[in-house]
Formats: sequence, C-alpha cells, structure tokens
Amino acid sequence: DGGITQSPKYLFRKEGQNVTLSCEQNLNHDAMYWYRQDPGQGLRLIYYSQIVNDFQKGDIAEGYSVSREKKESFPLTVTSAQKNPTAFYLCASSTRDGFSTGYTFGSGTRLTVV
Amino acid sequence: GQQLNQSPQSMFIQEGEDVSMNCTSSSIFNTWLWYKQDPGEGPVLLIALYKAGELTSNGRLTAQFGITRKDSFLNISASIPSDVGIYFCAGHPFPYGQNFVFGPGTRLSVLP
Repeated sequence: DGGITQSPKYLFRKEGQNVTLSCEQNLNHDAMYWYRQDPGQGLRLIYYSQIVNDFQKGDIAEGYSVSREKKESFPLTVTSAQKNPTAFYLCASSTRDGFSTGYTFGSGTRLTVV
Repeated sequence: GQQLNQSPQSMFIQEGEDVSMNCTSSSIFNTWLWYKQDPGEGPVLLIALYKAGELTSNGRLTAQFGITRKDSFLNISASIPSDVGIYFCAGHPFPYGQNFVFGPGTRLSVLP
C-alpha cells in the first residue's frame, strides 16, 4: 500500500545539536511539505517542495533546513539556530497541483529538546 | 495572507448527539478539505469539496461547500467515542498553484 512514512516517532535532542527528521513517500507525489504543530495549535508550514532539487520557505523556516534530492524523500533538519524546537512535526505529500487530491500526512515525529 | 477561522474551538458532547462545526474566511477558496487528527497521529482526510454548494457525505459525516465560497461546514451525526480528536478544515485559495491554508482546528470530546 502506498503511504508516507516519518521516522523516528519520538526524538530527543540536546540543546545545541542538529537533528534530522526523515520523511519518505511511495505515492509518486511530486510535492512534499513540512509542518510544525504545537500543543493546542494548528499547522504551520516550515518548507515545501514541488519538484526534485527545488524547495521554498514556508511561514516559519528560520532555524530549519531541507533537501529534496529524490522524489520520494524530503528530510528536515532542525538546527541549533531553532530557539524552540520542541514540537510535533508533520510531513505531507500531494500531487503537483495539490488541490485535486489534498495532502496525505505522515504519522508525525515528536521532537523534545532535553 | 489568507486565514481560516474554525468554530467552535472545542466542544464537549454526549455520545449519540449530533455535532456541527464550521470554517470561515474573508477570502474565496476553490477547494475545501476536512481532516481529522487522532492524538499523536497525523491528520487523515475525511471529505473533499470542489464546487460551491456541494454537499458530500462519508458515513456519519456530511460536509458542505458554502455558496459564497468563503465557508464550509461539517456535521457528524450520532457521535461515538472514536469521533474524539481535532477536526481541521483546509482551503485552497485562488489563484491555482498556491498551498492549502489550514484552520486552527476544532477539538471534539465525546462523553459516554
């Protein structure tokens, strides 16, 4: 079955360290997205990519970086420059136009800074 | 930028009751989506709406694309405990090629 996989489910990071969250999809979707969700809050867009080797900043890109070297993969790195990284991170994918099928989400990675 | 408002923010209902929630904006949207998020999981698409006035059902769920294109509604009939979660609306704005805009969510609790 096609789907989108995020790993790990839980991640702990020491202050000052970079950490990379994995997102892989086998839906043959062109577009991929990263969202951040804080407790009781909605979804805030971090980065998105509509095609391999190209990506765009979302609303809260500071302190994050991404790469899109393969169609199936869109890893997110949370850098030490991100001042408040503890949150629930969601990856999503869609067809290029997005609106005809909506976004398919992964099950999320909960990042905690210790 | 475009923003979506969801109402109510949270609601507590008795099992068996019907639920109504809505999503509004000052901007026009060409597609509306409704998602449900279980605790600790990613949102799952419930219903997609593509035309103004469209009414679509998925089991006990019914959603409508508002005639003004600025709002959408979700109803859940005969609620059950597994309906607990956060319900998000998402709208695709004009012109085409933009990302979906997500609402802040309605948190639903079902009391036995």
